Amino acid sequence: GAVVSQHPSWVICKSGTSVKIECRSLDFQATTMFWYRQFPKQSLMLMATSNEGSKATYEQGVEKDKFLINHASLTLSTLTVTSAHPEDSSFYICSARRTSGSPDTQYFGPGTRLTVL
Amino acid sequence: GENVEQHPSTLSVQEGDSAVIKCTYSDSASNYFPWYKQELGKGPQLIIDIRSNVGEKKDQRIAVTLNKTAKHFSLHITETQPEDSAVYFCAPGGTSYGKLTFGQGTILTVHP
Repeated sequence: GAVVSQHPSWVICKSGTSVKIECRSLDFQATTMFWYRQFPKQSLMLMATSNEGSKATYEQGVEKDKFLINHASLTLSTLTVTSAHPEDSSFYICSARRTSGSPDTQYFGPGTRLTVL
Repeated sequence: GENVEQHPSTLSVQEGDSAVIKCTYSDSASNYFPWYKQELGKGPQLIIDIRSNVGEKKDQRIAVTLNKTAKHFSLHITETQPEDSAVYFCAPGGTSYGKLTFGQGTILTVHP
């Protein structure tokens, strides 16, 4: 159990367009989901915390108007990169925390590789 | 915020040897200590975790030890195999809505 999926697994877009990434918990309910960004050969950096039914909490330095997060249900959170630019090219990874059981444990999705031309 | 240091940054061992990676953290309120394994192009996979009321936990060839007084915890892998080759991250947390702070990562290479 505890499977998290992401869609798409990779996307290439032109500069100035918007891209939406979905994160789903397939076999459990997740009150909280997290979005991370990882540049090549670097660690994961938390971008924002997404709580079902409320506004996301963004980490310092992350533009909330550029990275729109919607956590509409207990199994789905979306990240929209608006007006993407080449510097937004990165590996975006989501994680989900169970509403019951081991609340501290985060289960990660497989990631989405975004390339902005 | 939490400051996390992970050592070593790279580790090369022969198949069958043991590997140890250490993680030092700064927030004394942290109470959850996981280790993740990340293979190239994939998301991190939880391999073992421990909570602050436990000093050691073992799962087959993998173990984690915690020294809460000194604020560090370590990952121990015994009888390493080539498929253990990956990047390993510590990510202490458990406070502030369950946020985790990732270490810089350790590239483990197991030579056949």
